[in-house]
Amino acid sequence: QSALTQPASVSGSPGQSITISCTGTSTDIGGYDYVSWYQQHPGKAPKVMIYDVSNRPSGVSNRFSGSKFANTASLTISGLQAEDEADYYCSSYTSSSLYVFGTGTKVTVL
Amino acid sequence: QVQLQESGPGLVKPSETLSLTCTVSGGSISSYYWSWIRQPPGKGLEWIGYIYYSGITNYNPSLKSRVTISLDTSKNQFSLKLSSVTAADTAVYYCARLGYTYVTDYWGQGTLVTVSS
Repeated sequence: QSALTQPASVSGSPGQSITISCTGTSTDIGGYDYVSWYQQHPGKAPKVMIYDVSNRPSGVSNRFSGSKFANTASLTISGLQAEDEADYYCSSYTSSSLYVFGTGTKVTVL
Repeated sequence: QVQLQESGPGLVKPSETLSLTCTVSGGSISSYYWSWIRQPPGKGLEWIGYIYYSGITNYNPSLKSRVTISLDTSKNQFSLKLSSVTAADTAVYYCARLGYTYVTDYWGQGTLVTVSS
C-alpha cells in the first residue's frame, strides 16, 4: 500500500490560516470517513488533532478543523500561532482492514 | 488515562530479530486495537500492524513476512517481533492504541532501536 500524499512543507505568518492536503484513493480516504490528523513536535510522540474527518478531541483548539472531498482530506489551521510549528500527518483506514499514514507536512510559522 | 510504555533492546544486530514489548496501564488491553508504528530518523510515520484484543492481526503488506504481533492479556501487554532486520529497520518504534474508528488516540513515548553490528 502506498503512503497518502501530503505537501512536504506549508508556511504562514502568525494569525493567518493554512490548509494541508492529504490525497489518497477510493480504497482509503475516498472510501471511508476514518481520516485522522496528528501533530508531532520534535522528539515527541504524535498527538491526535482531528479524527473521523472533522471531529476534534477534547482539549484540541477549535483553530484546527478537518474536511474531506472525494479522495482528498484537508486540515486547516486558523489564527496560526508559533506553537503550531510542527510536523503534521494524516492517516486513513483502508480496504482489507489496513491502515496508512501520509507522507507528512512540516508547518513553519514565519 | 491510558498510558503505554515500550521496552526492549536499543541495539539489534543485522539479520537478528527485533523484540519489543508495550505495557498498558490505566485501562484494559481486553478491548480496542493495539498498534505498532515506527519512524526512521528524520522520516515519516510507518504503520507496522495491529492486533485486536481477540487476537486478530493485520500487518503492513511491506513488512508482513517479517512481523508478528502478539497479546498477553494477563500482563496487559502486547509485543512486536520483526525478523531478519537490516539497517533500514533503524527507527523510533511507538506502541499505540487504535480506537474503533481507526484513530490512534494514545501513544507510547517511543523507543529508538538501532540495527548495527
